[in-house]
Amino acid sequence: DAGITQSPRYKITETGRQVTLMCHQTWSHSYMFWYRQDLGHGLRLIYYSAAADITDKGEVPDGYVVSRSKTENFPLTLESATRSQTSVYFCASSDRGEGLNTEAFFGQGTRLTVV
Amino acid sequence: GQNIDQPTEMTATEGAIVQINCTYQTSGFNGLFWYQQHAGEAPTFLSYNVLDGLEEKGRFSSFLSRSKGYSYLLLKELQMKDSASYLCAVGPPYSGGGADGLTFGKGTHLIIQP
Repeated sequence: DAGITQSPRYKITETGRQVTLMCHQTWSHSYMFWYRQDLGHGLRLIYYSAAADITDKGEVPDGYVVSRSKTENFPLTLESATRSQTSVYFCASSDRGEGLNTEAFFGQGTRLTVV
Repeated sequence: GQNIDQPTEMTATEGAIVQINCTYQTSGFNGLFWYQQHAGEAPTFLSYNVLDGLEEKGRFSSFLSRSKGYSYLLLKELQMKDSASYLCAVGPPYSGGGADGLTFGKGTHLIIQP
């Protein structure tokens, strides 16, 4: 199916464990992003990627690792999960294009609980 | 850095008009976005403004004043399905309009009453 998909949709993990959230898009968009959404904070950018093998930090990157070996995939890894990383995680993609309007398309989100 | 302010919650009546305001302070600017997010769902794109003025798209319109750091989203002929959060977001100054990541406000929760 075309679009952007995240997996898993729900995850419960224990403090200290490594967790990887998956994101896959079928549009061949150049740009991909990871956001977290928390009550009282709104959406905050964790990492983004301009192309395969190019990644950069966003506003809240500490405790997270990303990779982008293929254009369509952008996994997010929590190296050692902490309770403060309990959140809803959204992946998004956009096509930079020549125009100014580069709408981002969001996946359905992964609700992660760290106990 | 970027600072974006919008009201936390608003209530309006079905069939009426509501205006959701957003003010921003940024070190650079390359466009203002509005997204809609229903509870438990992903944000979806509503509008984009980079030049001053009003952009109309059906029942939704968005206005931007760059000199004032101000935008609003206007929703007309409100329907119950418009109950959602509305997110104001600013694109960074060095991208083609948000392609390097957006900075979001905390969102305005809009409640539509019959």
